[in-house]
Amino acid sequence: GAVVSQHPSWVICKSGTSVKIECRSLDFQATTMFWYRQFPKQSLMLMATSNEGSKATYEQGVEKDKFLINHASLTLSTLTVTSAHPEDSSFYICSARYRAGTGGDEQFFGPGTRLTVL
Amino acid sequence: GNSVTQMEGPVTLSEEAFLTINCTYTATGYPSLFWYVQYPGEGLQLLLKATKADDKGSNKGFEATYRKETTSFHLEKGSVQVSDSAVYFCALSVGGGSNYKLTFGKGTLLTVNP
Repeated sequence: GAVVSQHPSWVICKSGTSVKIECRSLDFQATTMFWYRQFPKQSLMLMATSNEGSKATYEQGVEKDKFLINHASLTLSTLTVTSAHPEDSSFYICSARYRAGTGGDEQFFGPGTRLTVL
Repeated sequence: GNSVTQMEGPVTLSEEAFLTINCTYTATGYPSLFWYVQYPGEGLQLLLKATKADDKGSNKGFEATYRKETTSFHLEKGSVQVSDSAVYFCALSVGGGSNYKLTFGKGTLLTVNP
């Protein structure tokens, strides 16, 4: 199957700093990528849809000025958590949309990034 | 709107036991259905999928059949192993285009004891 990578896999930062997380589709081009947040023992919450070459579409309740998303190429999307605070600590997962044609689209997920804000 | 309801866990089984995790859905349109698995500390992996009614998805001994009449996509495995311990998510997507996205259930934690 298609492979999606995330970097870093974990990061610890001080409160008030910004953190950038990268999401790459390694063997296919993804015009659409998604960013999710997962709290402990809970499901995935879609934060935003990232479209190559255009602005991201944020879900209701997600602060677009705090979670900056850039999708500069067909294989890379980045999520920057600006002025991070302890409540932003979470597991962030990206996925990339694979256009499978008649078989239906699929999303392939990255391994996730554990963010801890001190 | 679209939603997925799956059996709440946790589910604890002994090795070689039969597994069923129930999943039902509501959707506007004609969804594709998925089961994803998440091992501890990792992202999600697609386990199986079905794109139309009566399709059966299968992988690694797991099966699920797309039942339009009952709007269900229950996950089954005849004999679970310790290595199957993980969180399982049922999900759906409807259509393509710019509105495409996955809707997830809340997840079911499965623990298999030796």
